[in-house]
Amino acid sequence: AQSVAQPEDQVNVAEGNPLTVKCTYSVSGNPYLFWYVQYPNRGLQFLLKYITGDNLVKGSYGFEAEFNKSQTSFHLKKPSALVSDSALYFCAVRVLDRGSTLGRLYFGRGTQLTVWP
Amino acid sequence: GAGVSQSPSNKVTEKGKDVELRCDPISGHTALYWYRQSLGQGLEFLIYFQGNSAPDKSGLPSDRFSAERTGGSVSTLTIQRTQQEDSAVYLCASSSIKGRGDLYNEQFFGPGTRLTVL
Repeated sequence: AQSVAQPEDQVNVAEGNPLTVKCTYSVSGNPYLFWYVQYPNRGLQFLLKYITGDNLVKGSYGFEAEFNKSQTSFHLKKPSALVSDSALYFCAVRVLDRGSTLGRLYFGRGTQLTVWP
Repeated sequence: GAGVSQSPSNKVTEKGKDVELRCDPISGHTALYWYRQSLGQGLEFLIYFQGNSAPDKSGLPSDRFSAERTGGSVSTLTIQRTQQEDSAVYLCASSSIKGRGDLYNEQFFGPGTRLTVL
């Protein structure tokens, strides 16, 4: 079975400090990995994705994520956190099911990031 | 351009009633998804439409749930005989098709419909 784990329900960091939101995955094929952010009372917004190539991908709002195949991880990072980064972050993975062109997207449970001034 | 829209934004209903939730995807997007987000839970996949292919219904929690997509655009999620555990935010998303299916493409989410079953 395909699955995504976000081991931390909450991450708290001071503004200006680096932040990391962790994500690990378990899939039976090549993973396509995504990060989404959900601000209060708003829909999910795409941040970045890893499809192939360079393991370090850069996305919106200064975020980046590193794909680590040996550790099956795709941690989200930002060198210097802002208060406005406070939101709910979701990691997601998609795998091509054998014999099908339909690829389900599996989401983690989400990590609430709080950046204090 | 216009994003994904959903209606209604809020729906309060009584247990046992049927409800219909509507999703208008981004124009030209051929893939459409429904998810459910319950308080304290992640996103639960419900159903996935891609072009003219048979939909992936594997996430529908019971036979009270159904969805259709007319004309390859607008989708309606129907919940029959609603139960209190159906209370959640129902999210719709769409994505475009490039090359090999839509595996590589991000999904664009609507604002959701908050369903409350009393």
